Amino acid sequence: QVQLVESGGGVVQPGRSLRLSCAASGFTFSSYVMHWVRQAPGKGLEWVAVISYDGSTKYYADFVKGRFTISRDNSKNTLYLQMNSLRADDTAVYHCARDTSYGIFDQWGQGTLVTVSS
Amino acid sequence: EIVLTQSPATLSLSPGERATLSCRASQSVSSYLAWYQQKPGQAPRLLIYDASNRASGIPARFGGSGSGTDFTLTISSLEPEDFAVYYCQQRSNWPPRGTFGQGTKLEIK
Repeated sequence: QVQLVESGGGVVQPGRSLRLSCAASGFTFSSYVMHWVRQAPGKGLEWVAVISYDGSTKYYADFVKGRFTISRDNSKNTLYLQMNSLRADDTAVYHCARDTSYGIFDQWGQGTLVTVSS
Repeated sequence: EIVLTQSPATLSLSPGERATLSCRASQSVSSYLAWYQQKPGQAPRLLIYDASNRASGIPARFGGSGSGTDFTLTISSLEPEDFAVYYCQQRSNWPPRGTFGQGTKLEIK
């Protein structure tokens, strides 16, 4: 069955970097647009970034533009989120999500927690 | 930027009752509105897409309606497992940003 498994979260100091991974299985990863969506503790869902099926096109939420980079390796069935210049308000569970049709997120990973704290 | 406002923030009902959750968009989103369910510690689950289409495996007691700016998620008869937080989400053509509402918590009365 479809599985999305995130990893790479942890505790990091403000201003430092972290790279998240999302390992996909059970479907043809290279055929799908993929997203990152985050959720701060006790808060709602917040879209972060999207990448086209071949990695050629990427878009970001304004609050991460210039700091985060989304990428993918279709040979490894893996989605990435490189997060630089982290701030306290980036603290959240980061989920990867599969896009089945122009922003319909039909499959989600459980998420990985990123805590930005000194 | 389109803003989605969900109401009520919290809804207290008993199993067997009917639940009606609302999502209002600041401008028309046509029928490009989805609903997700999230239980504590779990990933969100797609329930409804394009306003009224149930996702695969979603029970028939979940129904969606609306278009333009006003949308409703209805759960016809609440089961114990339905108590959760529900989010609406507006989708768009490329780039498919996903704007979410702030959520409605459905709790047991």
